[in-house]
Amino acid sequence: DQQVKQNSPSLSVQEGRISILNCDYTNSMFDYFLWYKKYPAEGPTFLISISSIKDKNEDGRFTVFLNKSAKHLSLHIVPSQPGDSAVYFCAATARYGQNFVFGPGTRLSVLP
Amino acid sequence: DTGVSQDPRHKITKRGQNVTFRCDPISEHNRLYWYRQTLGQGPEFLTYFQNEAQLEKSRLLSDRFSAERPKGSFSTLEIQRTEQGDSAMYLCASSPPPGRKRAGAPEQYFGPGTRLTVT
Repeated sequence: DQQVKQNSPSLSVQEGRISILNCDYTNSMFDYFLWYKKYPAEGPTFLISISSIKDKNEDGRFTVFLNKSAKHLSLHIVPSQPGDSAVYFCAATARYGQNFVFGPGTRLSVLP
Repeated sequence: DTGVSQDPRHKITKRGQNVTFRCDPISEHNRLYWYRQTLGQGPEFLTYFQNEAQLEKSRLLSDRFSAERPKGSFSTLEIQRTEQGDSAMYLCASSPPPGRKRAGAPEQYFGPGTRLTVT
């Protein structure tokens, strides 16, 4: 039972354009959502998060949008840079600081 | 380097052997997590410590798996009688106590992982 889904295994975007990565969840008890970026041979790196009481959170080139009624969140990267090429994981937790559930990841390739 | 460290980075073992992995979290972090990641999947939660107390264990953590954090600092994950299905990347993460992180951001800081191959 996959509680966090990332239905696009991969995404290719031209440098300078917007990258949009999507994530869907099924558990309505989730109240924090996070995005992680992972390079090969490294552990995931925290990118940005959003609480369920918000619908948008912005940090530099990264913006996360949350649509609770649709149980959907998205990560926007503007403008995309070649260094953004990595695997992006969406994660969610229902209880602060405890069990985090990760999606399977989306591999983003930003083409120069 | 003050990040999360894991040792060893790679481990190859024969089926039936026992293996132990170590994780050193960021020093002021009181929460420590273990995850397992297989190819094409995201990290799967295994267990979680707050200080030395193991507060949650996943159903994935069979009786062959045990984790400890004896003094609330480093942690070990032991797998007994390894099976080929145990081959995976084992990730450790730590998190600071509430009040020391950015508001509303229960982020975790991951180590580089230990890749286990069971032959």
